[in-house]
Amino acid sequence: AQRVTQPEKLLSVFKGAPVELKCNYSYSGSPELFWYVQYSRQRLQLLLRHISRESIKGFTADLNKGETSFHLKKPFAQEEDSAMYYCALTGGSYIPTFGRGTSLIVHP
Amino acid sequence: GAGVSQSPSNKVTEKGKDVELRCDPISGHTALYWYRQSLGQGLEFLIYFQGNSAPDKSGLPSDRFSAERTGGSVSTLTIQRTQQEDSAVYLCASTFRGGVDTQYFGPGTRLTVL
Repeated sequence: AQRVTQPEKLLSVFKGAPVELKCNYSYSGSPELFWYVQYSRQRLQLLLRHISRESIKGFTADLNKGETSFHLKKPFAQEEDSAMYYCALTGGSYIPTFGRGTSLIVHP
Repeated sequence: GAGVSQSPSNKVTEKGKDVELRCDPISGHTALYWYRQSLGQGLEFLIYFQGNSAPDKSGLPSDRFSAERTGGSVSTLTIQRTQQEDSAVYLCASTFRGGVDTQYFGPGTRLTVL
């Protein structure tokens, strides 16, 4: 079975502060990991996936197989980063498992 | 190009009534997924269609839920004899090939069962 855990329901930071949204997973094979974001009144959309190793909107995420984690990081948070963030894992079944989401609030 | 569309955007119904939710995937996408999004619960997988293969219905919570996909494109999720616990946002997503491809989501249908 595959599982994704996002331990924080809510993360509140001030503009300019570093932010880290945690994601831990459980999967016996080689996972594909994603971060999706949902801004207010917008649809859920891909932020980044580990295979592409990109930095999107200043966010990065590194897959740590030893710690089974895929934490999302940004060195300097902006107000427009306020959104709901979901970590997702797709394994051999091709059915993604999503975490429960972390609401990020960036205060001015 | 057009993204995934869903209709209606909002649906209010009375307990015990049947509802149909529609999803139009991105043209050319072979895989289609339905999810249920409840507050604080994340996204709950419901059903997965891939091409002409039999759908994976393993996430459907009860036999009151069913879905079909006609012509490999439009999909309809039907909930019979709705219950208050069915109230949620129902999301549809499509991917180009399925598998580990990026999911493209629709705007969702917010279902409220009174």
